Amino acid sequence: AQSVAQPEDQVNVAEGNPLTVKCTYSVSGNPYLFWYVQYPNRGLQFLLKYITGDNLVKGSYGFEAEFNKSQTSFHLKKPSALVSDSALYFCAVRATNDYKLSFGAGTTVTVRA
Amino acid sequence: SAVISQKPSRDICQRGTSLTIQCQVDSQVTMMFWYRQQPGQSLTLIATANQGSEATYESGFVIDKFPISRPNLTFSTLTVSNMSPEDSSIYLCSVVMDGGFNEKLFFGSGTQLSVL
Repeated sequence: AQSVAQPEDQVNVAEGNPLTVKCTYSVSGNPYLFWYVQYPNRGLQFLLKYITGDNLVKGSYGFEAEFNKSQTSFHLKKPSALVSDSALYFCAVRATNDYKLSFGAGTTVTVRA
Repeated sequence: SAVISQKPSRDICQRGTSLTIQCQVDSQVTMMFWYRQQPGQSLTLIATANQGSEATYESGFVIDKFPISRPNLTFSTLTVSNMSPEDSSIYLCSVVMDGGFNEKLFFGSGTQLSVL
């Protein structure tokens, strides 16, 4: 069985400061990892994915994530957060041979001006 | 990218009735899925919509409660049957295009369902 843990329900940062949203996963074999963002009353928007290759993945809106196989982690990062980054963030994982995604519980990010 | 049209965007329904949600994609896709997001919670996979055959349901979901159709590669419907207030959720369709390193996965904007 595959699963995702997002240990923090909420992350609060000041605008301009670095933002990190944590994610660890469990899956059989090599993982496909994803980050999605959800704004109020809107659907999920894709941020980035890791399938293979460079462990540092760059995505939309200045976000990046680092795949760490030994720690089974895929933390989302942004060097300088914006107030507009305030949203709900989901990490997701799937196995190589199965398109079904398992999502974490989500982390609410609040960036204060 | 794929353009996914999901209808209705929201609805308020009475207990005991049924609602059918439509998902239309502007291009042929490899896989289609239906997810549920209960209030304040994460997304849970309901089923994989298989073209021309019965959907594959996840544990805790059954065809009688959530019948799914997928008559072709660009369209699917999810019906929430005999609704109760516990069915109040956001329902999202999801599609996979291409494969391997070029794999793309998209979500519809969701259907917010409230059952009274």
